[in-house]
Amino acid sequence: AQKITQTQPGMFVQEKEAVTLDCTYDTSDPSYGLFWYKQPSSGEMIFLIYQGSYDQQNATEGRYSLNFQKARKSANLVISASQLGDSAMYFCAMRRGSTLGRLYFGRGTQLTVWP
Amino acid sequence: KAGVTQTPRYLIKTRGQQVTLSCSPISGHRSVSWYQQTPGQGLQFLFEYFSETQRNKGNFPGRFSGRQFSNSRSEMNVSTLELGDSALYLCASSLVASGKTDTQYFGPGTRLTVL
Repeated sequence: AQKITQTQPGMFVQEKEAVTLDCTYDTSDPSYGLFWYKQPSSGEMIFLIYQGSYDQQNATEGRYSLNFQKARKSANLVISASQLGDSAMYFCAMRRGSTLGRLYFGRGTQLTVWP
Repeated sequence: KAGVTQTPRYLIKTRGQQVTLSCSPISGHRSVSWYQQTPGQGLQFLFEYFSETQRNKGNFPGRFSGRQFSNSRSEMNVSTLELGDSALYLCASSLVASGKTDTQYFGPGTRLTVL
């Protein structure tokens, strides 16, 4: 069975500081994809970053980077230079295979950025 | 390019009624997935459609049904509504193209309240 664990229900970070949101996953599939989404209070899920299980390098997208440690089955999201607008719920998700297929979500981490 | 659109955005129904939610994917996207989000259960997978065929179904009762049309637009229907069906219903679309990362992009959601 596929499982995503986010152990931090809430995180606080000061503006302009970096923050790491933890995510561990469990799967026996050799091919899978890992995703991070941001959900502001408005409700829409915003795609942030993707890491494929066969990707050799950690994914980066602007201020977002994914610290992928395959042996430890972890896919932590690092947000650099936090902004007030980063305050939101963050979800880690996994999909089996490389295309199609449902997403398995963690419970999320509520990030609060304070000035 | 327009994002995923969902209608209606808000809906209030009473127990026993039925409801139909609509989702229009990003232009060119061929797969649509539906998720239910509640504070207690988190994000739960409902259905996945590709080329008008249901490829995957989550663990929901038969009151929940869906379909996809030839233009990739999708609808989901919930019959005999229960209080526990109150939730944010999120639709996501993905491209499904060979050699491309298959990322699910979400719509703003339909917030259903059952009284």
